[in-house]
Amino acid sequence: AQSVSQHNHHVILSEAASLELGCNYSYGGTVNLFWYVQYPGQHLQLLLKYFSGDPLVKGIKGFEAEFIKSKFSFNLRKPSVQWSDTAEYFCAVRGNQAGTALIFGKGTTLSVSS
Amino acid sequence: DAGITQSPRYKITETGRQVTLMCHQTWSHSYMFWYRQDLGHGLRLIYYSAAADITDKGEVPDGYVVSRSKTENFPLTLESATRSQTSVYFCASSREVQETQYFGPGTRLLVL
Repeated sequence: AQSVSQHNHHVILSEAASLELGCNYSYGGTVNLFWYVQYPGQHLQLLLKYFSGDPLVKGIKGFEAEFIKSKFSFNLRKPSVQWSDTAEYFCAVRGNQAGTALIFGKGTTLSVSS
Repeated sequence: DAGITQSPRYKITETGRQVTLMCHQTWSHSYMFWYRQDLGHGLRLIYYSAAADITDKGEVPDGYVVSRSKTENFPLTLESATRSQTSVYFCASSREVQETQYFGPGTRLLVL
Protein backbone atom coordinates (compact mmCIF):
# COMPACT_ATOMS: atom_id res chain seq x y z
CA ALA A 1 0.00 0.00 0.00
CA GLN A 2 1.11 3.52 -0.67
CA SER A 3 2.14 5.74 2.22
CA VAL A 4 3.68 9.16 2.67
CA SER A 5 5.88 10.23 5.54
CA GLN A 6 6.60 13.82 6.43
CA HIS A 7 9.40 13.88 8.96
CA ASN A 8 8.80 17.20 10.60
CA HIS A 9 5.55 17.88 12.39
CA HIS A 10 6.31 21.51 13.25
CA VAL A 11 9.12 23.67 11.95
CA ILE A 12 9.90 27.10 13.39
CA LEU A 13 12.13 29.49 11.44
CA SER A 14 13.07 33.13 11.40
CA GLU A 15 12.52 35.20 8.29
CA ALA A 16 15.26 34.78 5.66
CA ALA A 17 16.19 31.33 6.94
CA SER A 18 16.33 28.47 4.48
CA LEU A 19 13.68 25.80 4.50
CA GLU A 20 13.71 22.12 3.71
CA LEU A 21 10.73 19.90 4.48
CA GLY A 22 11.20 16.19 4.10
CA CYS A 23 8.83 13.85 2.31
CA ASN A 24 9.35 10.15 1.71
CA TYR A 25 6.89 7.82 0.08
CA SER A 26 6.37 4.14 -0.22
CA TYR A 27 5.19 2.84 -3.58
CA GLY A 28 6.51 0.24 -5.92
CA GLY A 29 5.79 1.85 -9.26
CA THR A 30 5.94 5.15 -11.07
CA VAL A 31 4.49 8.01 -9.07
CA ASN A 32 3.12 11.51 -9.39
CA LEU A 33 4.19 13.79 -6.53
CA PHE A 34 2.66 16.97 -5.15
CA TRP A 35 3.18 19.59 -2.51
CA TYR A 36 0.13 21.48 -1.31
CA VAL A 37 0.03 24.44 1.06
CA GLN A 38 -2.78 25.45 3.40
CA TYR A 39 -2.58 29.00 4.76
CA PRO A 40 -4.41 29.65 8.03
CA GLY A 41 -8.15 29.46 7.48
CA GLN A 42 -7.82 28.73 3.77
CA HIS A 43 -8.15 25.73 1.51
CA LEU A 44 -5.35 23.68 0.03
CA GLN A 45 -3.48 25.17 -2.88
CA LEU A 46 -1.06 23.44 -5.18
CA LEU A 47 2.55 24.57 -4.71
CA LEU A 48 4.17 22.30 -7.25
CA LYS A 49 3.98 18.89 -8.81
CA TYR A 50 6.17 16.30 -10.45
CA PHE A 51 4.91 13.95 -13.12
CA SER A 52 8.01 13.25 -15.20
CA GLY A 53 11.09 14.89 -16.67
CA ASP A 54 13.44 17.20 -14.77
CA PRO A 55 13.46 15.97 -11.14
CA LEU A 56 14.00 19.52 -9.88
CA VAL A 57 10.60 21.15 -9.96
CA LYS A 58 9.94 24.83 -9.43
CA GLY A 59 6.63 25.99 -8.03
CA ILE A 60 4.95 29.17 -6.98
CA LYS A 61 6.26 31.68 -4.44
CA GLY A 62 9.89 30.60 -4.80
CA PHE A 63 9.40 27.00 -3.70
CA GLU A 64 11.09 24.08 -5.36
CA ALA A 65 11.26 20.34 -4.78
CA GLU A 66 13.62 17.62 -5.89
CA PHE A 67 12.49 14.13 -6.74
CA ILE A 68 15.16 11.58 -5.83
CA LYS A 69 13.89 8.26 -7.08
CA SER A 70 16.57 6.17 -5.36
CA LYS A 71 15.62 7.66 -2.00
CA PHE A 72 11.85 7.72 -2.61
CA SER A 73 11.96 11.35 -1.58
CA PHE A 74 10.41 14.62 -2.72
CA ASN A 75 11.73 17.29 -0.37
CA LEU A 76 10.43 20.84 -0.49
CA ARG A 77 12.87 23.75 -0.33
CA LYS A 78 12.91 27.51 -0.23
CA PRO A 79 16.14 29.52 0.09
CA SER A 80 14.68 32.36 2.17
CA VAL A 81 11.33 32.11 3.93
CA GLN A 82 9.00 34.99 4.66
CA TRP A 83 6.50 35.53 7.43
CA SER A 84 3.75 34.97 4.85
CA ASP A 85 4.99 31.40 4.32
CA THR A 86 3.52 30.45 7.70
CA ALA A 87 1.19 27.61 6.77
CA GLU A 88 0.71 23.88 6.78
CA TYR A 89 2.43 21.94 4.02
CA PHE A 90 1.27 18.60 2.71
CA CYS A 91 3.15 16.18 0.54
CA ALA A 92 1.01 13.84 -1.56
CA VAL A 93 1.73 10.91 -3.84
CA ARG A 94 -0.23 8.93 -6.36
CA GLY A 95 0.66 5.93 -8.48
CA ASN A 96 0.41 6.89 -12.13
CA GLN A 97 -1.95 4.08 -13.02
CA ALA A 98 -5.59 4.92 -13.53
CA GLY A 99 -7.72 4.60 -10.42
CA THR A 100 -5.01 5.09 -7.83
CA ALA A 101 -5.91 7.53 -5.10
CA LEU A 102 -3.95 10.56 -3.92
CA ILE A 103 -2.34 9.77 -0.57
CA PHE A 104 -1.41 12.66 1.71
CA GLY A 105 1.20 12.91 4.40
CA LYS A 106 0.14 14.15 7.82
CA GLY A 107 1.42 17.63 7.14
CA THR A 108 4.13 19.93 8.46
CA THR A 109 3.26 23.17 10.18
CA LEU A 110 5.70 25.95 9.35
CA SER A 111 5.84 28.97 11.64
CA VAL A 112 7.96 31.90 10.47
CA SER A 113 8.75 34.69 12.89
CA SER A 114 9.49 38.20 11.68
CA ASP B 1 -14.24 31.83 -12.32
CA ALA B 2 -16.20 30.28 -9.44
CA GLY B 3 -14.14 27.09 -9.37
CA ILE B 4 -15.14 24.76 -6.60
CA THR B 5 -17.43 25.76 -3.76
CA GLN B 6 -18.65 24.05 -0.64
CA SER B 7 -21.64 24.68 1.57
CA PRO B 8 -22.19 25.18 4.35
CA ARG B 9 -18.80 26.46 5.46
CA TYR B 10 -19.61 25.75 9.11
CA LYS B 11 -22.09 23.31 10.59
CA ILE B 12 -22.97 22.25 14.10
CA THR B 13 -25.19 19.22 14.50
CA GLU B 14 -26.10 16.60 17.05
CA THR B 15 -25.29 12.93 17.24
CA GLY B 16 -27.72 10.85 15.22
CA ARG B 17 -28.81 13.59 12.84
CA GLN B 18 -28.43 13.40 9.09
CA VAL B 19 -26.17 16.02 7.55
CA THR B 20 -25.44 16.74 3.91
CA LEU B 21 -22.40 18.67 2.77
CA MET B 22 -22.56 20.15 -0.69
CA CYS B 23 -19.83 20.48 -3.29
CA HIS B 24 -20.18 22.23 -6.62
CA GLN B 25 -17.61 22.77 -9.36
CA THR B 26 -17.88 24.88 -12.49
CA TRP B 27 -15.03 23.35 -14.50
CA SER B 28 -16.90 20.26 -15.76
CA HIS B 29 -14.18 18.13 -14.21
CA SER B 30 -14.85 14.42 -14.46
CA TYR B 31 -13.42 13.48 -11.09
CA MET B 32 -14.56 14.68 -7.70
CA PHE B 33 -13.30 13.71 -4.26
CA TRP B 34 -14.23 14.06 -0.60
CA TYR B 35 -11.52 14.19 2.06
CA ARG B 36 -11.60 14.72 5.78
CA GLN B 37 -8.80 16.53 7.56
CA ASP B 38 -8.00 15.64 11.14
CA LEU B 39 -5.10 16.66 13.34
CA GLY B 40 -2.38 14.06 13.14
CA HIS B 41 -3.91 12.32 10.14
CA GLY B 42 -3.54 14.81 7.33
CA LEU B 43 -6.16 14.35 4.63
CA ARG B 44 -7.88 11.02 4.12
CA LEU B 45 -10.03 10.13 1.16
CA ILE B 46 -13.65 9.27 1.97
CA TYR B 47 -15.18 8.75 -1.48
CA TYR B 48 -14.51 9.73 -5.02
CA SER B 49 -16.41 9.82 -8.26
CA ALA B 50 -15.14 9.31 -11.80
CA ALA B 51 -18.25 10.67 -13.51
CA ALA B 52 -21.96 11.12 -12.96
CA ASP B 53 -23.45 8.01 -11.36
CA ILE B 54 -20.00 6.46 -10.76
CA THR B 55 -18.66 6.53 -7.22
CA ASP B 56 -16.15 4.49 -5.26
CA LYS B 57 -14.92 4.18 -1.69
CA GLY B 58 -11.74 5.72 -0.42
CA GLU B 59 -9.78 5.03 2.72
CA VAL B 60 -12.46 5.97 5.31
CA PRO B 61 -15.95 5.54 3.80
CA ASP B 62 -17.83 4.13 6.80
CA GLY B 63 -20.73 6.30 7.94
CA TYR B 64 -20.82 8.32 4.71
CA VAL B 65 -22.91 8.19 1.57
CA VAL B 66 -22.33 10.02 -1.69
CA SER B 67 -24.19 10.52 -4.91
CA ARG B 68 -23.43 12.17 -8.22
CA SER B 69 -26.50 12.69 -10.34
CA LYS B 70 -24.93 15.69 -12.10
CA THR B 71 -21.30 16.16 -13.09
CA GLU B 72 -20.99 19.45 -11.23
CA ASN B 73 -22.34 18.32 -7.86
CA PHE B 74 -21.02 15.77 -5.39
CA PRO B 75 -22.90 15.85 -2.06
CA LEU B 76 -21.63 13.96 0.97
CA THR B 77 -24.19 12.72 3.49
CA LEU B 78 -23.61 11.61 7.03
CA GLU B 79 -26.66 9.42 7.56
CA SER B 80 -26.40 9.39 11.37
CA ALA B 81 -23.69 11.73 12.56
CA THR B 82 -21.27 10.62 15.27
CA ARG B 83 -18.79 12.65 17.33
CA SER B 84 -15.92 10.95 15.53
CA GLN B 85 -17.11 12.63 12.34
CA THR B 86 -16.26 16.06 13.72
CA SER B 87 -13.72 17.21 11.19
CA VAL B 88 -12.95 19.56 8.34
CA TYR B 89 -14.26 18.22 5.06
CA PHE B 90 -12.68 19.16 1.74
CA CYS B 91 -14.06 18.56 -1.67
CA ALA B 92 -11.72 18.43 -4.66
CA SER B 93 -11.99 17.94 -8.38
CA SER B 94 -9.73 17.09 -11.29
CA ARG B 95 -10.23 16.88 -15.01
CA GLU B 96 -8.88 13.34 -15.11
CA VAL B 97 -7.75 11.08 -12.29
CA GLN B 98 -4.09 11.58 -13.18
CA GLU B 99 -4.29 15.35 -13.18
CA THR B 100 -3.96 17.90 -10.41
CA GLN B 101 -6.74 18.05 -7.85
CA TYR B 102 -8.15 21.44 -6.95
CA PHE B 103 -9.66 21.91 -3.54
CA GLY B 104 -12.68 23.75 -2.22
CA PRO B 105 -12.61 26.00 0.87
CA GLY B 106 -13.74 23.25 3.26
CA THR B 107 -16.62 22.69 5.64
CA ARG B 108 -15.99 22.65 9.38
CA LEU B 109 -18.38 20.17 10.97
CA LEU B 110 -18.91 19.84 14.70
CA VAL B 111 -20.99 16.93 15.97
CA LEU B 112 -22.15 17.37 19.55
